[in-house]
Amino acid sequence: DSGVTQTPKHLITATGQRVTLRCSPRSGDLSVYWYQQSLDQGLQFLIHYYNGEERAKGNILERFSAQQFPDLHSELNLSSLELGDSALYFCASSAVKGIGDYGYTFGSGTRLTVV
Amino acid sequence: GNSVTQMEGPVTLSEEAFLTINCTYTATGYPSLFWYVQYPGEGLQLLLKATKADDKGSNKGFEATYRKETTSFHLEKGSVQVSDSAVYFCALRNYGGSQGNLIFGKGTKLSVKP
Repeated sequence: DSGVTQTPKHLITATGQRVTLRCSPRSGDLSVYWYQQSLDQGLQFLIHYYNGEERAKGNILERFSAQQFPDLHSELNLSSLELGDSALYFCASSAVKGIGDYGYTFGSGTRLTVV
Repeated sequence: GNSVTQMEGPVTLSEEAFLTINCTYTATGYPSLFWYVQYPGEGLQLLLKATKADDKGSNKGFEATYRKETTSFHLEKGSVQVSDSAVYFCALRNYGGSQGNLIFGKGTKLSVKP
């Protein structure tokens, strides 16, 4: 157990629907990162939150949004889902932004299947 | 911009064979470099890291040396085991313009046969 919890583990939904993925970071970590992993695109950085504030955006579609709450858990909202959104979505956390380079601690991911 | 290129897989080896997975990077400044491993059905785990030129990261028999002159961070292991079968990702973290998010290579799948 890495200490980063993602729910649900699996999600099957239809095109056009909206889903919410949840991430609880490791205790004490202030940064949360979201990544999308697909076979053709590899691991793509989506968005980074630090202590409730958005810090960086990567290749995140306008149909996707995220937030980090006061208790530091984060949610990734995916709307108007398309077949191509089917992927593994990972959350990762790290201790302090920009200090000490210990990389990230990853959750086990949410596998989203859009049918 | 920042990017990571690693050798395409899959790589299939026999147990006790020598492993090399090549990784090169493009970055401004002085990035930190990482290798992550992903076992089937799991998230990514940090395998090793190096934060400055000539640093050698090592863990579980795996090693990689940060070579600034060749912009490389190749992963090596002298004798692989079946349990090393996984996908390996090279990554960099550059604080210069990207707020510190990790940039990954596409991953190399390793299969070790008994």
